[in-house]
Amino acid sequence: GENVEQHPSTLSVQEGDSAVIKCTYSDSASNYFPWYKQELGKRPQLIIDIRSNVGEKKDQRIAVTLNKTAKHFSLHITETQPEDSAVYFCAASPSIYNQGGKLIFGQGTELSVKP
Amino acid sequence: GAVVSQHPSRVICKSGTSVKIECRSLDFQATTMFWYRQFPKQSLMLMATSNEGSKATYEQGVEKDKFLINHASLTLSTLTVTSAHPEDSSFYICSAPIGGGDQPQHFGDGTRLSIL
Repeated sequence: GENVEQHPSTLSVQEGDSAVIKCTYSDSASNYFPWYKQELGKRPQLIIDIRSNVGEKKDQRIAVTLNKTAKHFSLHITETQPEDSAVYFCAASPSIYNQGGKLIFGQGTELSVKP
Repeated sequence: GAVVSQHPSRVICKSGTSVKIECRSLDFQATTMFWYRQFPKQSLMLMATSNEGSKATYEQGVEKDKFLINHASLTLSTLTVTSAHPEDSSFYICSAPIGGGDQPQHFGDGTRLSIL
């Protein structure tokens, strides 16, 4: 089945710097890759997603890139702010369950933005 | 606001108790919902896919007799943890894709289950 690896597990940056989180996946047929932000004790919230027919997507300070050949995708946060501090999860949707598909999550990255 | 409602948010009970958790889609129908479990400082692990009108599909290693799932309507899925023990203590969270198909999934607020 699908396996998603996420790095780094922790990331500390200064306010205003950029943060990059990387994920790799194993199922070459996976075609949907969302990123979620989870604050302590709360639900994961979708921040951006990308489908396999697109190489890059941007939404204000957040961008995601996808390399299908290498089977990896990355989250880029620019001009980080203290409120960006949270745990970030990448996920992949295995092809078999593409219709309303289940998500396989990476291990998570705890991002800390220092003022 | 929330588009997926989960209840209760917190349960504390004695070992051996069965606990039911509800997941409702608000203002949309969900033929499929998903149940995840999250231990402290860990990732979300998919437990099962809840299918309206049919049996749930469980992930490898998840005991279907332990974690009963019922999806009796297009807006409600329930997870019952039967005869819960301390090792079942965890954060249980459901999700549903809005609009069906491969639309983004939205999560409920989760249920913090503590078994004494």
